[in-house]
Amino acid sequence: GAGVSQSPSNKVTEKGKDVELRCDPISGHTALYWYRQSLGQGLEFLIYFQGNSAPDKSGLPSDRFSAERTGGSVSTLTIQRTQQEDSAVYLCASSRTSESSYEQYFGPGTRLTVT
Amino acid sequence: AQSVAQPEDQVNVAEGNPLTVKCTYSVSGNPYLFWYVQYPNRGLQFLLKYITGDNLVKGSYGFEAEFNKSQTSFHLKKPSALVSDSALYFCAVRDRRGGGADGLTFGKGTHLIIQP
Repeated sequence: GAGVSQSPSNKVTEKGKDVELRCDPISGHTALYWYRQSLGQGLEFLIYFQGNSAPDKSGLPSDRFSAERTGGSVSTLTIQRTQQEDSAVYLCASSRTSESSYEQYFGPGTRLTVT
Repeated sequence: AQSVAQPEDQVNVAEGNPLTVKCTYSVSGNPYLFWYVQYPNRGLQFLLKYITGDNLVKGSYGFEAEFNKSQTSFHLKKPSALVSDSALYFCAVRDRRGGGADGLTFGKGTHLIIQP
């Protein structure tokens, strides 16, 4: 079946611009996660959604970052007033539920470059 | 806070030899441990997990991992390495956060290089 998809695959933006990154989870998966992968920081947890519940935003690095999930499915990660340190690969993952025993399945990522 | 350590940035193994990629963890409570692999320009792929039960866990592509509670380790192993196993490997622990949400806390990753 279809895996997690993300778009765009690559995004180049100028410093100060806003960007939106999209994630389509695996059908039927209720939990959705965003991570960031960068050379300096490795893989960092950003935000988590379980169904239609309010997200856990504990990992967001600043208030310029926000995310929403519409209808319990597709999610959008928005970065406002982008900075060069935001350059990274943004990974989305989904799992059947939020129960700890379920593995997460990752999308191919969006490579964001802020110039 | 929960954490995972991968002490080796890179591991080099000759094809056909056994391989081990090391991982140690620090958690409160029972650990839920995972290994993921990342091939160049690809997303992370799930390899295996330990939740409970047998300490030796078998996963995809002939990989296995041994959970050792006394040493707080979860090393990834394979009896005979293939050149195609060359990739970046991440150990991770499920991190229970406030409100019951779960994210993964990853190690820094280990580059595995299998030499022909």
